Amino acid sequence: AQSVTQPDIHITVSEGASLELRCNYSYGATPYLFWYVQSPGQGLQLLLKYFSGDTLVQGIKGFEAEFKRSQSSFNLRKPSVHWSDAAEYFCAVNGANNLFFGTGTRLTVIP
Amino acid sequence: GAVVSQHPSRVICKSGTSVKIECRSLDFQATTMFWYRQFPKQSLMLMATSNEGSKATYEQGVEKDKFLINHASLTLSTLTVTSAHPEDSSFYICSASFQGLGTEAFFGQGTRLTVV
Repeated sequence: AQSVTQPDIHITVSEGASLELRCNYSYGATPYLFWYVQSPGQGLQLLLKYFSGDTLVQGIKGFEAEFKRSQSSFNLRKPSVHWSDAAEYFCAVNGANNLFFGTGTRLTVIP
Repeated sequence: GAVVSQHPSRVICKSGTSVKIECRSLDFQATTMFWYRQFPKQSLMLMATSNEGSKATYEQGVEKDKFLINHASLTLSTLTVTSAHPEDSSFYICSASFQGLGTEAFFGQGTRLTVV
């Protein structure tokens, strides 16, 4: 069965520091993987996705993620965090006909 | 990118009444739409998947008679919370895809439902 694990519930980083949000998935076949960001009271915005090809995926707002099949991971990274990046981040894997979401990681950015 | 519009963004209703939430794909035909429920500080829980012109497929534990889903056209799906109770208060989010299997889904802005 599909599942997604985001081991970090809450992360705090300083503005300008680098960021890595972890995501591990379980899926029997080649997964389609996504990272979404949600601001308070808002829907979800797609940051990036991996379907196939290059395992390092570039997304919007300076985010990137690397698919590592051997580790069943799809970690999200950003070299320099901005205060506006504070939000909830969800990793998701596409199953047979729907998306399975991780529990999310809340990012706090401090000055 | 594709745009999904969800309406209303916020609604307050009295216990026992019904509330309808609309999800529209504005610039593409959505063959599949998904409805999620999100509890405070938690992830999204898939409630049901609907394909245009057919009955929705509900996830285990979701009451189909309470959460009525209609996907009458390729651009519109509705979720009706019937006989709402305070425990139905939540954030509901729809998403839509135009190929369903293995492709990206686009999300609406969400609806905050408060039942008083």
